[in-house]
Amino acid sequence: DAGVTQSPTHLIKTRGQQVTLRCSPKSGHDTVSWYQQALGQGPQFIFQYYEEEERQRGNFPDRFSGHQFPNYSSELNVNALLLGDSALYLCASSFPSGSLYEQYFGPGTRLTVT
Amino acid sequence: AQSVAQPEDQVNVAEGNPLTVKCTYSVSGNPYLFWYVQYPNRGLQFLLKYITGDNLVKGSYGFEAEFNKSQTSFHLKKPSALVSDSALYFCAVRDPMDSSYKLIFGSGTRLLVRP
Repeated sequence: DAGVTQSPTHLIKTRGQQVTLRCSPKSGHDTVSWYQQALGQGPQFIFQYYEEEERQRGNFPDRFSGHQFPNYSSELNVNALLLGDSALYLCASSFPSGSLYEQYFGPGTRLTVT
Repeated sequence: AQSVAQPEDQVNVAEGNPLTVKCTYSVSGNPYLFWYVQYPNRGLQFLLKYITGDNLVKGSYGFEAEFNKSQTSFHLKKPSALVSDSALYFCAVRDPMDSSYKLIFGSGTRLLVRP
């Protein structure tokens, strides 16, 4: 059973560009969350998608947007990249109505903005 | 506001000795608590969780954690450390009243187990 997968593994972009990161949840999971992990810090919640809608959003600007597809996979889009957007972006998935369940994390996408 | 504190940036322990990684939390109501481990260039791996019930929770790889409501703590423990346990450990809390189930993470504690 494949776990959470993310692509690409690494990405280098220039300030001002736009980037799209992709995530496929663990089999059977329908909820996808995105986190940003800056160097030396713990992951910070960006937003969560359930039933193809954004369920909740963390303290991130509108430059960060997302989408969930009918197969539960998800994309994270970041526009007008800033140097401070350089981080490891983690996708996590969980079971339906997952209040009691842990989130399973993918390996992450390392984004470097130059 | 919900928060998690991991007061130690790094914990050093000799192989075979017991280890403790500390975590305190601040959440209104009864929290859901989690420990995750991160190896270099990897995502987070789930170790264990506390939802309700017995205050001592057993998890993967011989780790356990003790929930202490009065001290608002959820320390991670292992009776005998292995060199392979060296990694970055994150404590996380979730407010059960939050419909998004988002995790609030601490800043992480680096565990170094020396041979």
